[in-house]
Amino acid sequence: GNSVTQMEGPVTLSEEAFLTINCTYTATGYPSLFWYVQYPGEGLQLLLKATKADDKGSNKGFEATYRKETTSFHLEKGSVQVSDSAVYFCALRADSGYSTLTFGKGTMLLVSP
Amino acid sequence: NAGVTQTPKFRVLKTGQSMTLLCAQDMNHEYMYWYRQDPGMGLRLIHYSVGEGTTAKGEVPDGYNVSRLKKQNFLLGLESAAPSQTSVYFCASRSGGASNTGELFFGEGSRLTVL
Repeated sequence: GNSVTQMEGPVTLSEEAFLTINCTYTATGYPSLFWYVQYPGEGLQLLLKATKADDKGSNKGFEATYRKETTSFHLEKGSVQVSDSAVYFCALRADSGYSTLTFGKGTMLLVSP
Repeated sequence: NAGVTQTPKFRVLKTGQSMTLLCAQDMNHEYMYWYRQDPGMGLRLIHYSVGEGTTAKGEVPDGYNVSRLKKQNFLLGLESAAPSQTSVYFCASRSGGASNTGELFFGEGSRLTVL
């Protein structure tokens, strides 16, 4: 079956530090990959996505590259801000079936001033 | 824009009581989903619907029922609540067809506590 594995948190960083959150996946076929972000007390919202191998998704200074050879989609940001404190979910959408998303367990990011 | 709206946002129940969570979307989306979010478990799919009048089981359907009588609404019911159903529930929707990107749009969540 499909699955997503994320690094466990919380990840604690100081403002302006470099961020990496690892995500690897298992899936049949050629899934689309997503990063969602959940701010405190809110629902999830799409941060970025990539639909095929070697694509790079980017948004709000965050980036992730779809690496089929390593089945990975790591999230990076060069300089985090306090406002980036949230829970980040990696997810995949298989290219068949009813095509909902399979989510990882989430990684909490805490950024201090 | 309203997007996906869930009601109620908070509810406390006693074991054995019943209740219904309502999800409404104004984006004319075909697909709708109910997830539950628990610490350390991420999001788990309870039930989903691929169109008006259709429903199907997800990963953790036991103890829940759903209905999709209107395209814009997706109801999640608990007939006899149990403490194990204490969770935060999220509704999500997305468009269907060849143009859809797979992006899900989420509501703000409904926090349910069963005593």
